[in-house]
Formats: sequence, structure tokens, C-alpha cells
Amino acid sequence: AQKITQTQPGMFVQEKEAVTLDCTYDTSDPSYGLFWYKQPSSGEMIFLIYQGSYDQQNATEGRYSLNFQKARKSANLVISASQLGDSAMYFCAMRPFSGYSTLTFGKGTMLLVSP
Amino acid sequence: NAGVTQTPKFQVLKTGQSMTLQCAQDMNHNSMYWYRQDPGMGLRLIYYSASEGTTDKGEVPNGYNVSRLNKREFSLRLESAAPSQTSVYFCASSDLGGLTTEAFFGQGTRLTVV
Repeated sequence: AQKITQTQPGMFVQEKEAVTLDCTYDTSDPSYGLFWYKQPSSGEMIFLIYQGSYDQQNATEGRYSLNFQKARKSANLVISASQLGDSAMYFCAMRPFSGYSTLTFGKGTMLLVSP
Repeated sequence: NAGVTQTPKFQVLKTGQSMTLQCAQDMNHNSMYWYRQDPGMGLRLIYYSASEGTTDKGEVPNGYNVSRLNKREFSLRLESAAPSQTSVYFCASSDLGGLTTEAFFGQGTRLTVV
């Protein structure tokens, strides 16, 4: 079974600063994918970034990057130059590649960006 | 370009009533999922369907049933609603063959059982 742990229930950051949202995972599968989703107050789930366990480089998508440390089983999301619109709930999720697989989510981190 | 469409968006039920949440996707995805979201709990998988004609239980299946009507549609049924089923329900779909691709989510259904 897979487990995702997000230890930060809430985070505060000032506009234009960078922020790191923590995610650790546990799985016995040798290959897997890691995902981050954003959920603004309107409620929809927005995909942000993906990292494969065999990818040599950390994934980046615009202002989002994933700090992947395989040995430590961590997949932290880094948001650079925070914007007010980044205020939202952020979920880390993973999916193993073996057999049929489903996404397992962490409990989320609420990020508040202040002016 | 609709993606994943869920109906209804809001619903209030009395304890013991039944209802079906509808979900349809237009991305030709093989796999579909139902999650529930509760405060402080993240998203938990209720049921999923790897492909048309198959369904399997997820983490929290009790009190629910599902039907994969065809490749596009995957419904979730509450036979006898309980207050513990008050939650936000999300339907999602993904391309089973593309393991690197993300799951796409519907807008969610906010269900209250009184």
C-alpha cells in the first residue's frame, strides 16, 4: 500500500517570495509517479506537475518545480515568486507503475499568500 | 472541451434517501474513479474502474455502489444515505496506458445528508 504524508497543515508566504511544500511518500513499488494538484477555494482540482521515479532531473513547470529526493522518499513542491492567486490547498499524490494503479493523496497543505 | 462532467453540483438528502451521482468524460480515457474529500482527510478513493466493464473497491467503499455504464460514464450510488456520507465527491478519469499522465477531475458534488 502507498502512503503520502504532508506534514504542514498550513503555510504562509509573502507575495514574490519562494515557498516549499513538503511531501514524503512510502511505497514498496520500484517505479512510480508523483503528482501535485492545486485546489483553489472554488473547489476544482488543478494538475500542476509530475515527476517519474526514474526521471534523472527534477520536474519544472513555469514557477513550479519538484524537489525530488528518491533516497529520502520526498517530493517537495517549490513555488517561486509567489502570487496572491497561489493561495489554495495543495495535494501531493503518487501512483505506482506496477499492475493497475490508482492515485493516493496526502491530506494537503493550505497555502496563504499575503501582499 | 468539457473534460469530466459531474452532476449534480449540490445536493441535500435526508437520512435513508438514495441518489446517484453521474459522471461522464469525453477524453476517451479507460480509467475512471470516484473520490470523496473530507476536511483534513485529503481525497480518499471510493471505487474505480480500470476499463469498461470492470469495477473495484477503493479505500472507503462501504455504503456505495458504482456502475460503469460505458466507456464515458461512471456513476456512484448511495442506496441509503447517512450523515457520515456528507462530503464533496469527485469523479476523475485517466489514460490507463499513459502512466505518466495526470488524472482529470470533475468540478465536484457537494453532498449534505441531514
